[in-house]
Parts: sequence; C-alpha cells; structure tokens
Amino acid sequence: NAGVTQTPKFQVLKTGQSMTLQCAQDMNHNSMYWYRQDPGMGLRLIYYSASEGTTDKGEVPNGYNVSRLNKREFSLRLESAAPSQTSVYFCASSDQGSPGRRREQYFGPGTRLTVT
Amino acid sequence: DAKTTQPTSMDCAEGRAANLPCNHSTISGNEYVYWYRQIHSQGPQYIIHGLKNNETNEMASLIITEDRKSSTLILPHATLRDTAVYYCIVRGNTDKLIFGTGTRLQVFP
Repeated sequence: NAGVTQTPKFQVLKTGQSMTLQCAQDMNHNSMYWYRQDPGMGLRLIYYSASEGTTDKGEVPNGYNVSRLNKREFSLRLESAAPSQTSVYFCASSDQGSPGRRREQYFGPGTRLTVT
Repeated sequence: DAKTTQPTSMDCAEGRAANLPCNHSTISGNEYVYWYRQIHSQGPQYIIHGLKNNETNEMASLIITEDRKSSTLILPHATLRDTAVYYCIVRGNTDKLIFGTGTRLQVFP
C-alpha cells in the first residue's frame, strides 16, 4: 500500500496563477482532509470530506476549493494564488467509526508551495 | 473541541524517558486525548489516544489524570529518532483535528 500520496512535491507559482494539488489514498478510507502548515505553526484544516460527494469547510477555507472526485481522490484548488498561501499542504485520510475507535489520520508527505 | 496547552520545547537525554505534559482543563466527558508527532516537516504520525484510562502501545504510554484536565505522554526510552514536534489534541465525536503549536522535543546524545 502506498498510503496517502500527494502531487506535486514542490511548486512555485506567481501571484494570480491557479493550480490544483492532488491527493489519493489506497486505504479505502471514507474521510479525507486538506491542511496547511505555515512555518513554526501547527496544521490548520482547510477543507475536509466525510464521504464521497460531500465536502465541508475547516478553519481556513478562504481562497481554496476542493473536489472529492471519488472515494480515493481529494483535490485542492487555488484559483488565484496569493503570497499568503505560501505554505506546506498536507492531505490526510481516516476511517470512520465510534469516538473510541482509533480513527487515526494518515498523512501524505506534503506539497511545498511558494507563491511569489 | 477543548483547547490544549503544551510547553514550547523540551530536551531529553537519549535512553531516558521523555515525559511530555499537556493541559486540557476544559475537556468534556466525551472527548478523547490524542497525540501525534511530526518529524522534520513530514506529515504527522499518530501515536496514541485515550479517554480516561491509562493507555500503552508499542510507541508510548499515555497517563491521564483522574479529573482528565491534564495528561502526559511518555516515551520510555527516547532515541534520537524521537526528536520531533509532539501535538496533544482533544477530539470529540468529530473527524476534525485541531492542532496547536505542540512541543518540540529534542533528544540529545
């Protein structure tokens, strides 16, 4: 199993350009997430998807859109990139279940995005 | 979800136990304490979680106080590879994780 994969690993954009970050998981998980991490900070949730066909906003959704293409794939789109979106982006997935179940989130390796 | 407070940084000698504290004084009865760690900008990794009983797995032990207002993650024999940022997260019946800034643990030889 590859777990959670993300593409690309690195990206440099100019202000105003658009791009889509791709994420895929092969663990048959229902839930998927997008986080961003700024230097010296913890991760902040951008969007998440509890199941195929559903998406919900997290803490910092402005400037982003997401698509849950199917159960495996969850993409994050920046329509008009801004320097404030320079960050490391992590995708994650998890199983669902009762609160006591482990339900750990499995994270991808991250995409390092710089917007100039 | 309840907020957590952790020290910014800690040191530990290799081979010794690392005890990482976390305060979560506003935790409610149905919220669990989760611990994750992040090694050198990799994606975070689950370590352990618990409700009110102490828990142990192959990676660590989790001690939760009787009033559940604080907890301690114990790495019994820290190695250099345990150098990481450790996040204590309180989680209710939701799939969302709210990360704080965590504790940066430095294990030294």
